Amino acid sequence: EAQVTQNPRYLITVTGKKLTVTCSQNMNHEYMSWYRQDPGLGLRQIYYSMNVEVTDKGDVPEGYKVSRKEKRNFPLILESPSPNQTSLYFCASMPGMGPGQGVSEQYFGPGTRLTVT
Amino acid sequence: QQPVQSPQAVILREGEDAVINCSSSKALYSVHWYRQKHGEAPVFLMILLKGGEQKGHEKISASFNEKKQQSSLYLTASQLSYSGTYFCGTPGWNNYGQNFVFGPGTRLSVLP
Repeated sequence: EAQVTQNPRYLITVTGKKLTVTCSQNMNHEYMSWYRQDPGLGLRQIYYSMNVEVTDKGDVPEGYKVSRKEKRNFPLILESPSPNQTSLYFCASMPGMGPGQGVSEQYFGPGTRLTVT
Repeated sequence: QQPVQSPQAVILREGEDAVINCSSSKALYSVHWYRQKHGEAPVFLMILLKGGEQKGHEKISASFNEKKQQSSLYLTASQLSYSGTYFCGTPGWNNYGQNFVFGPGTRLSVLP
């Protein structure tokens, strides 16, 4: 079954304690993204990756890091979480985003609800 | 850079129709539409491409006016299952590469 998985689904942590949210897709997609969702603001792209070893900043990258060492995995790292990073996070993938691409749907993971106290 | 959606929220009775609009200040090459139930992941509805091609849902239709940089989603004879938040999104370019931007969403409530 084609899917995007995220772990953990729920996480409560304290300010400053480093954490990683994992994301994996089994569809051999090139393009992967992390979004955060806050009430009234929609889905905002944090980071994206066009392919292995290629990552770029989205609209709200401050306080986050990512890596793309393998095509299937795209972990999100919060090195020193703060309360303003409390949010619902989604990982997503799509086949590609080159010329003529960006015309396929994005597949979303189930989401990770993060609370930073 | 974020697309603008209108209305912000709409309440319908079963069987009524609704239109959700999405517009952008930047050129649109394609427009994606997704629906999200509370606390769940967004679900793909359709993609509209330049030239009029559509890919997606059977019972929901949409239009894409490239010159006006606008798209509209048409929900006819709404069902209870249509309730949720609808997002439009579009691929684009930021300072680093090809990003993807969503609108703030339109909350649709369908009542019995």
